[in-house]
Amino acid sequence: SSELTQDPAVSVALGQTVRITCQGDSLRSYYASWYQQKPGQAPVLVIYGKNNRPSGIPDRFSGSSSGNTASLTITGAQAEDEADYYCNSRDSSGNHLRVFGGGTKLTVL
Amino acid sequence: QVQLVQSGAEVKKPGASVKVSCKASGYTFTSYAMHWVRQAPGQRLEWMGWINAGNGNTKYSQKFQGRVTITRDTSASTAYMELSSLRSEDTAVYYCAREGYYYDSSGKTDWFDPWGQGTLVTVSS
Repeated sequence: SSELTQDPAVSVALGQTVRITCQGDSLRSYYASWYQQKPGQAPVLVIYGKNNRPSGIPDRFSGSSSGNTASLTITGAQAEDEADYYCNSRDSSGNHLRVFGGGTKLTVL
Repeated sequence: QVQLVQSGAEVKKPGASVKVSCKASGYTFTSYAMHWVRQAPGQRLEWMGWINAGNGNTKYSQKFQGRVTITRDTSASTAYMELSSLRSEDTAVYYCAREGYYYDSSGKTDWFDPWGQGTLVTVSS
């Protein structure tokens, strides 16, 4: 399968820890990358590779992977973390295609 | 700094074609692939295809195969995405995104960064 599956919505209390997951066959072979998108804005890369953060991304964002599941963890969620989060990876067909997950809307309570 | 600047909003009639440009600056254009992603109103991100800016090779999502053409002009450091036979369902914001990458013992790892600001394409009669 070339699909990546995410929970549509997740909520977290301010300052608590939340994990957003992404499942798919291709994740057994390839790392996921994670993108944060706020309303009306272009997506922003937050995690790539095994667990790498681009410059300017707070260290409360981290990534991990096990089997067919990739996870994005926010430790100590802040109000500004409320956004849609998308995972992306290569397609498992080996044809150098890419696929996005359906996205997870994170609400910070 | 690395920057991608896209062309402006477009309004097209059903059946027409649209060509969106993405001008890159701040890096060697031919050293990185460029991807195109779209997002219909209120919907998920949808990967469309990519171009190797060095040799011009392309790969497209099966969903858009036959309707999308991605090209580049190396002299202008610009990538283009053309979508034909437009229908109302193609109304969306279209983004270009540069592929970042590294190689290690696991092979190649890649990601999209940065992204262009997006181009709204509206298809309406």
